[in-house]
Amino acid sequence: SLDLTQPSSVSVSPGQTANILCSGHNLESKNVCWYQQRPGQAPRLIMYQDSKRPTGIPERFSGTNSGNTATLTIRETQTVDEADYYCQAWVRTAAVFGGGTRLTVL
Amino acid sequence: QLKQSGVEVKKPGASVKVSCTASGFTFSNYGFSWVRQAPGQGLEWMGWVSAYTGDTTYAQRFRDRVTMTADTSTNTVFMEMRSLTSDDSAIYYCARESRDLEILDPWGQGTLVTVSS
Repeated sequence: SLDLTQPSSVSVSPGQTANILCSGHNLESKNVCWYQQRPGQAPRLIMYQDSKRPTGIPERFSGTNSGNTATLTIRETQTVDEADYYCQAWVRTAAVFGGGTRLTVL
Repeated sequence: QLKQSGVEVKKPGASVKVSCTASGFTFSNYGFSWVRQAPGQGLEWMGWVSAYTGDTTYAQRFRDRVTMTADTSTNTVFMEMRSLTSDDSAIYYCARESRDLEILDPWGQGTLVTVSS
């Protein structure tokens, strides 16, 4: 199986860059997705296949995946980006989620 | 778009069946995953059902208590869970799965299930 580890929280000042890490054994061999979940809302796909943005996701969001770590980067962070962020990968036919990272913009 | 059924309140030992109705795309071209989120906790994948074949895959911890089905006549997938305990109190989400892109998108709005005596 695959365990995905994320920091429980990340804090950033408005306008700065936030990096959210997701670690797992040989993660670079997987396609990693990222989901954003704002308070009281359902999760929303914001990154897939490591670095591709779905339609409507701002260019401020980017992703990389190398070695054992995938990274979601949010440039010019805004208060609207405050949310929980989850990485996810597939192990055979099962989805595995990281524990989630709460991004605080203050 | 995925629209889920409403809030459920159940007693321990009971069963619950949550529905998820799809619109705006060809239902039978996709599979659907169910993901749950306990209060204040992260996302937990429960399993998957193919809308075309009805084939299922379940996470091991739910294999004995959960059944997922699909009804192509109503473009609806269902998740039934039996022998509920308070630990099953959570929001249950359905999400469309695209195997070629390996994504879960879009997601339903979620169904709150509360198990309490």
